[in-house]
Amino acid sequence: DAGITQSPRHKVTETGTPVTLRCHQTENHRYMYWYRQDPGHGLRLIHYSYGVKDTDKGEVSDGYSVSRSKTEDFLLTLESATSSQTSVYFCAISEGARTNEKLFFGSGTQLSVL
Amino acid sequence: RKEVEQDPGPFNVPEGATVAFNCTYSNSASQSFFWYRQDCRKEPKLLMSVYSSGNEDGRFTAQLNRASQYISLLIRDSKLSDSATYLCVVNIRGGGADGLTFGKGTHLIIQP
Repeated sequence: DAGITQSPRHKVTETGTPVTLRCHQTENHRYMYWYRQDPGHGLRLIHYSYGVKDTDKGEVSDGYSVSRSKTEDFLLTLESATSSQTSVYFCAISEGARTNEKLFFGSGTQLSVL
Repeated sequence: RKEVEQDPGPFNVPEGATVAFNCTYSNSASQSFFWYRQDCRKEPKLLMSVYSSGNEDGRFTAQLNRASQYISLLIRDSKLSDSATYLCVVNIRGGGADGLTFGKGTHLIIQP
């Protein structure tokens, strides 16, 4: 158990509304990631963080922003949700991005944008 | 050519049989390779890393073929509990977890 908690587990929202997903870890890992998983696609990286207030874009970052004000929390925000952002979102941690690429995932958030 | 490609399956295999599937990757400079397992509606979990010399973990064997740019996963004496989707993961940039690229997965069904 990598001590990763995602909230909420499920969310239904309307197009145009802001949405924030939270990832919380208990083991003080430096690196945290947000992925989305859609049918017909592999998991795709949205944003990642390599420390407090240090974040960078992934492959599919448009329409998303992130914040990391504490080591343990990594927030993903959809400023104005669209139907194309309906997906399953996974948070992940790694023990060290350069020396250890093994990822440990949270249980996921199912987001539906109507 | 897609960066990481897997046969989606499903592979329907009787319990106790041996099953193998491959994953091809496009970037010859890739350095890190992994297999993850994902159960239905669950998060992916690391199954094993894939080393140049090949590696084995119980009933599971992973191989890397750099010349042909593919990795393989072999499962011996398959169990019902092996039913899952197996994700191939390749670091296409040669370093850093931000460079990991996931395949779409191979769906395996072990039948009693």
